[in-house]
Amino acid sequence: GAGVSQTPSNKVTEKGKYVELRCDPISGHTALYWYRQSLGQGPEFLIYFQGTGAADDSGLPNDRFFAVRPEGSVSTLKIQRTERGDSAVYLCASSPLAGFTDTQYFGPGTRLTVL
Amino acid sequence: GESVGLHLPTLSVQEGDNSIINCAYSNSASDYFIWYKQESGKGPQFIIDIRSNMDKRQGQRVTVLLNKTVKHLSLQIAATQPGDSAVYFCAENEGSSNTGKLIFGQGTTLQVKP
Repeated sequence: GAGVSQTPSNKVTEKGKYVELRCDPISGHTALYWYRQSLGQGPEFLIYFQGTGAADDSGLPNDRFFAVRPEGSVSTLKIQRTERGDSAVYLCASSPLAGFTDTQYFGPGTRLTVL
Repeated sequence: GESVGLHLPTLSVQEGDNSIINCAYSNSASDYFIWYKQESGKGPQFIIDIRSNMDKRQGQRVTVLLNKTVKHLSLQIAATQPGDSAVYFCAENEGSSNTGKLIFGQGTTLQVKP
């Protein structure tokens, strides 16, 4: 596809369950980012990949959150033992390179609701 | 702590008028700034960016102004159209960190009245 895609678009789960959120970046983009956006707020950085490796995971709130990008393309954000406070829109972005001035192109997000 | 913030949560303008959306930042080490537009149910869409070695940059109908002395950023939209209605975010990047990690402000809602 032409842009960043994310699946599912909506995910409803129960407290304590495990969820996986998927991001397909723009083809050929080296850098991939995950952000979380709570209602009425701006996106908050979670983690950034350069290729297959997580170059900066300083935004992950705790060890229940984990992300992978095994082949340097698709990435999966994994959340264990979900809590109601995890409810938010999870956004993925990609950029051609990892330079700080490279434009980040965002996907539509996955809306996660934890009941 | 360091933060990026916006002065007004909502801005209402008449169609055809010019819009000005403001943003204050506090991290003096930031050297790259971006404006994003976000429509309901969609991800942020890049509008325009500016490096800290510039004080003005123009795009199609949009202009970004950077005042490093007072740590202020603004987005000017000329001849505002109904399709410009959205939430606008400024974001900053601390270039010395050498990553693309962006810090976003809370956003300003732009409402365009026909």
